[in-house]
Amino acid sequence: SQQGEEDPQALSIQEGENATMNCSYKTSINNLQWYRQNSGRGLVHLILIRSNEREKHSGRLRVTLDTSKKSSSLLITASRAADTASYFCATGQGAQKLVFGQGTRLTINP
Amino acid sequence: GAGVSQSPSNKVTEKGKDVELRCDPISGHTALYWYRQSLGQGLEFLIYFQGNSAPDKSGLPSDRFSAERTGGSVSTLTIQRTQQEDSAVYLCASSRRQGDHYEQYFGPGTRLTVT
Repeated sequence: SQQGEEDPQALSIQEGENATMNCSYKTSINNLQWYRQNSGRGLVHLILIRSNEREKHSGRLRVTLDTSKKSSSLLITASRAADTASYFCATGQGAQKLVFGQGTRLTINP
Repeated sequence: GAGVSQSPSNKVTEKGKDVELRCDPISGHTALYWYRQSLGQGLEFLIYFQGNSAPDKSGLPSDRFSAERTGGSVSTLTIQRTQQEDSAVYLCASSRRQGDHYEQYFGPGTRLTVT
């Protein structure tokens, strides 16, 4: 069964707006990673946040982690049409195996 | 450098036939993973190889599915007696340790259609 649950399942916003996606998980983790998938093909790693970190930035991406609530959020600021993709969170539980959520489909409208 | 490659990119097969899907991981990556993704869904873990250790096969949906990794590099996922519900994109990923974590690098996937 999937560990991560993304919310919302789908999100449609106007170009330039900020997009926020959430992920919840069930068990303790060592880290949480966010991946992007274009056109139903290979995933690309975006950012990793460790269990002892609360917030992390990378360019227009901001990730938060609340281990007490077992949740994470991904914020994309000043969205662009090229950000249209599916976004997945994945939790690492000590081993190399990652457990992926169902994803959020993000559409940026020009 | 070269990324993870998979072949074929698309495969159409008749129900009941066997298929083989190939994955070439990034050189030097010790771990290799297979996932399945049905249309509009998340990734379903299938199997994971790490070095010379016994593979983690806990995600294989039935005994019709098997995978090998030869020489610690190339991997082949075999589906015997394919069924229509096997239609999906099969994704391969490889990873190596980067400090205290592992980051997975994905191939482009093989889209399997069983008619």
